[in-house]
Amino acid sequence: GAGVSQSPSNKVTEKGKDVELRCDPISGHTALYWYRQSLGQGLEFLIYFQGNSAPDKSGLPSDRFSAERTGGSVSTLTIQRTQQEDSAVYLCASSFGRSAYGYTFGSGTRLTVV
Amino acid sequence: AQKVTQAQTEISVVEKEDVTLDCVYETRDTTYYLFWYKQPPSGELVFLIRRNSFDEQNEISGRYSWNFQKSTSSFNFTITASQVVDSAVYFCAPHISNFGNEKLTFGTGTRLTIIP
Repeated sequence: GAGVSQSPSNKVTEKGKDVELRCDPISGHTALYWYRQSLGQGLEFLIYFQGNSAPDKSGLPSDRFSAERTGGSVSTLTIQRTQQEDSAVYLCASSFGRSAYGYTFGSGTRLTVV
Repeated sequence: AQKVTQAQTEISVVEKEDVTLDCVYETRDTTYYLFWYKQPPSGELVFLIRRNSFDEQNEISGRYSWNFQKSTSSFNFTITASQVVDSAVYFCAPHISNFGNEKLTFGTGTRLTIIP
């Protein structure tokens, strides 16, 4: 597609439920990143996929968080047993090759855990 | 580990004034890239500039200019003749190309408000 697409744009869920957030990167971009932005805060790195290499999961805050990328394209970020502190905007970005070229970001998914 | 500091949390200026947003980073690498992103109220992050560490020539793009000082590890961003549409949060983000570090590390951002 022309840009990075994220869905849903908004998600409200009850504490303890699982959620899945989707990211569709720009066609041809080999690298995909997930970041989290809590209200009024900066961007917190979560996970990075590059081609067929093992993902860099160093930013995932707990084992309730996981992500996969199928076929080198679409990625899904899953949060299990959501907690209120998981409420944030989850941003996906993609880049052509290494991130030294810069990212193109999606519009994000605003997750609210009630 | 790399670190980036945007000491100004919030800045407000009157329209048409010039404003400079500061960015200081830490790195032991000699080769790296630096980025600025803009996040308007709509929330989407917009790429502004990419600068490599080889080139210390300052860059100007319309009302935007960037001052890169490798000796002081600073990459400051200036908006001249500010406009209301410049109101946004601005993030500085260094990228270190060595040691397998393949992600941008974002500063905490500076919220810029342009008062009409």
